[in-house]
Amino acid sequence: DGGITQSPKYLFRKEGQNVTLSCEQNLNHDAMYWYRQDPGQGLRLIYYSQIVNDFQKGDIAEGYSVSREKKESFPLTVTSAQKNPTAFYLCASSTIVATEAFFGQGTRLTVV
Amino acid sequence: GDSVTQMEGPVTLSEEAFLTINCTYTATGYPSLFWYVQYPGEGLQLLLKATKADDKGSNKGFEATYRKETTSFHLEKGSVQVSDSAVYFCALSGGNEKLTFGTGTRLTIIP
Repeated sequence: DGGITQSPKYLFRKEGQNVTLSCEQNLNHDAMYWYRQDPGQGLRLIYYSQIVNDFQKGDIAEGYSVSREKKESFPLTVTSAQKNPTAFYLCASSTIVATEAFFGQGTRLTVV
Repeated sequence: GDSVTQMEGPVTLSEEAFLTINCTYTATGYPSLFWYVQYPGEGLQLLLKATKADDKGSNKGFEATYRKETTSFHLEKGSVQVSDSAVYFCALSGGNEKLTFGTGTRLTIIP
């Protein structure tokens, strides 16, 4: 089945550590996105990518980094510079930028 | 920049009641409009969409009409079920290469 796979579903991180969230899609989509979801704030865009080896900052990129070495993969690293990383992270993809997006199941990150 | 404003929640209704969740937007040009639904602990699923003025999107008994004159895209359903309990997001894609989401409206249906 085609879709987007995020892993892990739950992730715990100690303060000061970097952690990488995985996102893989087999939909042959060009565009991929990372969103952060906090209660009562909707979805906020962290990074997006239209093509391999290229990506752009979204609204809240500080403390995060991404790579797009393959069309199918768009991993997100939450660095120690991110002041409040505890959140639900959603990865999405679409055929071209800003058309309807298909979402993964999300990763819930908790800093302990 | 682009923005989406949707009805504050939570919304609680009895089964078989009529549902309206309001959504208005600000955008330049002619954006596409979407409603997404999120069930507990899951990602978002596209519920319906409309790509031009006066288009009506519909799916699973839900409907929304793209009203350019009022910059609105209100979600409606004639008779809700317990299984419709979820968080609903209005979104738009404009000319700035990204989807913009509203803050979400939590809907709870009581049997």
